[in-house]
Amino acid sequence: EAQVTQNPRYLITVTGKKLTVTCSQNMNHEYMSWYRQDPGLGLRQIYYSMNVEVTDKGDVPEGYKVSRKEKRNFPLILESPSPNQTSLYFCASSLSGPTTDTQYFGPGTRLTVL
Amino acid sequence: GDSVTQMEGPVTLSEEAFLTINCTYTATGYPSLFWYVQYPGEGLQLLLKATKADDKGSNKGFEATYRKETTSFHLEKGSVQVSDSAVYFCALWDSSYKLIFGSGTRLLVRP
Repeated sequence: EAQVTQNPRYLITVTGKKLTVTCSQNMNHEYMSWYRQDPGLGLRQIYYSMNVEVTDKGDVPEGYKVSRKEKRNFPLILESPSPNQTSLYFCASSLSGPTTDTQYFGPGTRLTVL
Repeated sequence: GDSVTQMEGPVTLSEEAFLTINCTYTATGYPSLFWYVQYPGEGLQLLLKATKADDKGSNKGFEATYRKETTSFHLEKGSVQVSDSAVYFCALWDSSYKLIFGSGTRLLVRP
């Protein structure tokens, strides 16, 4: 089954404790992206990747890191989480970059930073 | 920069009512436009899309037409069902390889 998976689905942590949220897709997609969803703000893009070893900042990259060492994986790293990073996070992928491609979304990771 | 504006929700309708959710956009070029739907507790799913002016996207009884002259992409459905209750997001691909979303509109359909 074609899908985007994220782990963990739920995470409660404390300020400053490094964490990684994993994202994996099995569709051989080149483009992958991370979003955060906050009430009243919709989804905002954090980082995206056009292919292996090619990443770029989205609209809200501060406090986050990503890497793309393999085509299927695109982990999101919070080196020193803070309470303002409490949010619902979605990973997405598409066959190639922009214009007409459909993005496929993972189920989401709800992160709480105390 | 590019942006998407959606009507504020929530929108509450009775079953079989007509639905319109307004979406307008600002973009320097000619972006592709999308409607995504998010059911409770789930990720987003593509509902429909249009890639050029005057294109009409349609799926599951929903329709939206890409109107370049009014920079709009309003979502419509002739007869909503309780199962359509969800949050609907309008989005565009901008020229810098980013998918830009509106703030979302919650739809609640009552039996």
